[in-house]
Amino acid sequence: DSGVTQTPKHLITATGQRVTLRCSPRSGDLSVYWYQQSLDQGLQFLIQYYNGEERAKGNILERFSAQQFPDLHSELNLSSLELGDSALYFCASSVEGQDPNYGYTFGSGTRLTVV
Amino acid sequence: DAKTTQPNSMESNEEEPVHLPCNHSTISGTDYIHWYRQLPSQGPEYVIHGLTSNVNNRMASLAIAEDRKSSTLILHRATLRDAAVYYCILRGWGDMRFGAGTRLTVKP
Repeated sequence: DSGVTQTPKHLITATGQRVTLRCSPRSGDLSVYWYQQSLDQGLQFLIQYYNGEERAKGNILERFSAQQFPDLHSELNLSSLELGDSALYFCASSVEGQDPNYGYTFGSGTRLTVV
Repeated sequence: DAKTTQPNSMESNEEEPVHLPCNHSTISGTDYIHWYRQLPSQGPEYVIHGLTSNVNNRMASLAIAEDRKSSTLILHRATLRDAAVYYCILRGWGDMRFGAGTRLTVKP
């Protein structure tokens, strides 16, 4: 157990639907990062939050949004789902947001299947 | 972000040392070298990181070239559980971007 909790572990939904993925960071970590991993794209950085505020954006689609709540858990919202959104979604946390002398702790991921 | 180059795949025998290379010729002075690994069906796992000096921890050693343009992750005795994709990442001030990594196969 890495200390980063992601729920649900598996999710199957239909095209056009909306889902919410949840992440609880490791205790004491202020920063949360979301990544998408599909077979043909590898691990793609989506977005980062630090202590409730958006800090960095990567290859995140406009149909996707995220937020970090006062208790530091984060949610990734995916809407108007397409078949190509099927992927593993990982959350990571870090005690610091930008300092390169710190590493990330990853959760075990949510596997999203869009049918 | 500065780019890293890793072999697509490597093979190793169980209980032998493994040296995983990474080239990063465009590294900047403030970039840290991070290594992560991803076991099948799991999230990436931190292995080790360093700036200039060689680093050791319970999982592995990191050897950094004097000019910092390359580094090597050393697993001292590979086990079957070390079979994974290993990512070498240059991290500056900001988020972390993953490349394709090296898929390590460990043969019994």
